[in-house]
Amino acid sequence: QSALTQPASVSGSPGQSITISCTGTSSDVGNYNLVSWYQQHPGKAPKLLIFEVSKRPSGVSYRFSGTKSGNTASLTISGLQTDDGADYYCCSYAGSTTLLVFGTGTKVTVL
Amino acid sequence: EVQLLESGGGLVQPGGSLRLSCAASGFTFSTYAMTWVRQAPGRGLEWVSTLSRNGGSSYSTDSVKGRFTISRDNSKNTLFLQMDSLRVEDTAVYYCARSDVVASTPNYWGRGTLVTVSS
Repeated sequence: QSALTQPASVSGSPGQSITISCTGTSSDVGNYNLVSWYQQHPGKAPKLLIFEVSKRPSGVSYRFSGTKSGNTASLTISGLQTDDGADYYCCSYAGSTTLLVFGTGTKVTVL
Repeated sequence: EVQLLESGGGLVQPGGSLRLSCAASGFTFSTYAMTWVRQAPGRGLEWVSTLSRNGGSSYSTDSVKGRFTISRDNSKNTLFLQMDSLRVEDTAVYYCARSDVVASTPNYWGRGTLVTVSS
């Protein structure tokens, strides 16, 4: 099972919106509405931002939103803030053999 | 508050063994599936292994099958990862994570423990 494909880096200015894509296959992203997004600051544990494609856990800012179309999921960060500068990973359930597959990761830079 | 605290990492020679532990608190441990995820230095996240709530069903990525064993002690709210026949490429930070059920993605993560395999 190959990793999900994400852009290596995305950048934006404060206040702007950016979107990170996560492309998988019909065996993972395209087959299940079980895609999550995580934010990871250097040296820290990943933090859940979005689960089940578009749901936000309690306490996560409304500025983070998720969608899915076919084999590609997307995370949009609106009103970009300095603290949003971090690495972002998608993750999809992939069935009972290869349970989980993660994305390659995207480094977000706030200009 | 959900807390997951990993321990047991360290430096080990290739071919050696190590046992990681993850102490859970702040939730009913026995009602959640648990997962190990690793991150090699400067690399992305990689799923390692997942265990069902009662420990009856386990799942592992191909590269660790036959070498790593995931287990849990629900009476002590602790998850384990027994790692044998370690390879240089197993060097990573190992995270313990909680999932609602086996067929779901993790929702809470520990801070990780570093495993270094080197001669």
